[in-house]
Amino acid sequence: ETGVTQSPTHLIKTRGQQVTLRCSSQSGHNTVSWYQQALGQGPQFIFQYYREEENGRGNFPPRFSGLQFPNYSSELNVNALELDDSALYLCASSLATGLEEKLFFGSGTQLSVL
Amino acid sequence: QKEVEQDPGPLSVPEGAIVSLNCTYSNSAFQYFMWYRQYSRKGPELLMYTYSSGNKEDGRFTAQVDKSSKYISLFIRDSQPSDSATYLCAMKGAAGNKLTFGGGTRVLVKP
Repeated sequence: ETGVTQSPTHLIKTRGQQVTLRCSSQSGHNTVSWYQQALGQGPQFIFQYYREEENGRGNFPPRFSGLQFPNYSSELNVNALELDDSALYLCASSLATGLEEKLFFGSGTQLSVL
Repeated sequence: QKEVEQDPGPLSVPEGAIVSLNCTYSNSAFQYFMWYRQYSRKGPELLMYTYSSGNKEDGRFTAQVDKSSKYISLFIRDSQPSDSATYLCAMKGAAGNKLTFGGGTRVLVKP
């Protein structure tokens, strides 16, 4: 167990709806990253939050947004859901030291868009 | 062409055999190299973390990085059925904060 917890574990939505996924980072970690993993593929970087600010973003549209709270927990929000948004959404926490930065992942939220 | 290439498998080996996994990459800026293990419906678990070229050993696992060839490897000795999983390579540059993953190799260790 990494200490990174995500909720909910599974979610079913319909096209056009909005969804919020939540993540609690490992104790002592100040950075949260979100990844999308489609079936049979490796995770793709969505964005990272450090000290409540977005600190890097991958090739995802603006309808993917996030928040980080003072306790370093985080939310991923996706608006106007599309069928292709169906995937496992992974949260990873880390301690930003400027040198090695090891990411520890939660078990993910499986999102199905119908 | 993807930045990180990884054979999807499946790679099937008998229990006790050595499992050999590898990734190739195209971005010469990558300096940190990782291997993750992912069981079905679970998040990736960090196995090995290596900086730049060289070898690193941890128990039954050995990671090798050859930056001149843009090629990394993971070896699992004395494989067990519990090693059956998908293995993901990942890498990042010195600057920046995102990991770039390969597509994963599915490994089956048969008793």
